Amino acid sequence: GAVVSQHPSRVICKSGTSVKIECRSLDFQATTMFWYRQFPKKSLMLMATSNEGSKATYEQGVEKDKFLINHASLTLSTLTVTSAHPEDSSFYICSAPQGAQSYEQYFGPGTRLTVT
Amino acid sequence: QKEVEQNSGPLSVPEGAIASLNCTYSDRVSQSFFWYRQYSGKSPELIMSIYSNGDKEDGRFTAQLNKASQYVSLLIRDSQPSDSATYLCALYGGATNKLIFGTGTLLAVQP
Repeated sequence: GAVVSQHPSRVICKSGTSVKIECRSLDFQATTMFWYRQFPKKSLMLMATSNEGSKATYEQGVEKDKFLINHASLTLSTLTVTSAHPEDSSFYICSAPQGAQSYEQYFGPGTRLTVT
Repeated sequence: QKEVEQNSGPLSVPEGAIASLNCTYSDRVSQSFFWYRQYSGKSPELIMSIYSNGDKEDGRFTAQLNKASQYVSLLIRDSQPSDSATYLCALYGGATNKLIFGTGTLLAVQP
């Protein structure tokens, strides 16, 4: 399957600071990427759809000013958690379909964010 | 009614047995269905996709789709302890055009 990487894999930050998470498609181009978050023992929750060259589409209830998404190129999307608070601590995972017509999404390894 | 429903488990099966994981969905327009495996602390890994009614086999895994009954299942033959994980059912297409996940079924294969 397709390879998607994320960086960092784990980050601890202080409350009030911002954290940037990178998602890269390594062997294919992705015009669309997706950002999810997952709380312990819960299912994946789609946060937003990242679109290369245009604004991200956010799901209902997700604050776009708090979770900034930039899809700078066909292989890179970034999620910045601004002014992080302890309740933002979660497992953040990106995914990308391999090909514009593909429905099969491949996930990055995830980033575990802990806000102290 | 949830869009994708799965029994949370845990489903416990002995090593070597067949594990049967089930999923029902509410959106009749859905066309694409997926099974993901997620180990604890890891991200989901795509293991099967199915688009047409019937069975699709890949190694020890068989996905079964019945659109009339809005039902998709995953069979794991010769279950191994390494198969112990949460299995997520997901569907794509239909009204939302997004990948919608069930809450997952925890499978425990006992040695």
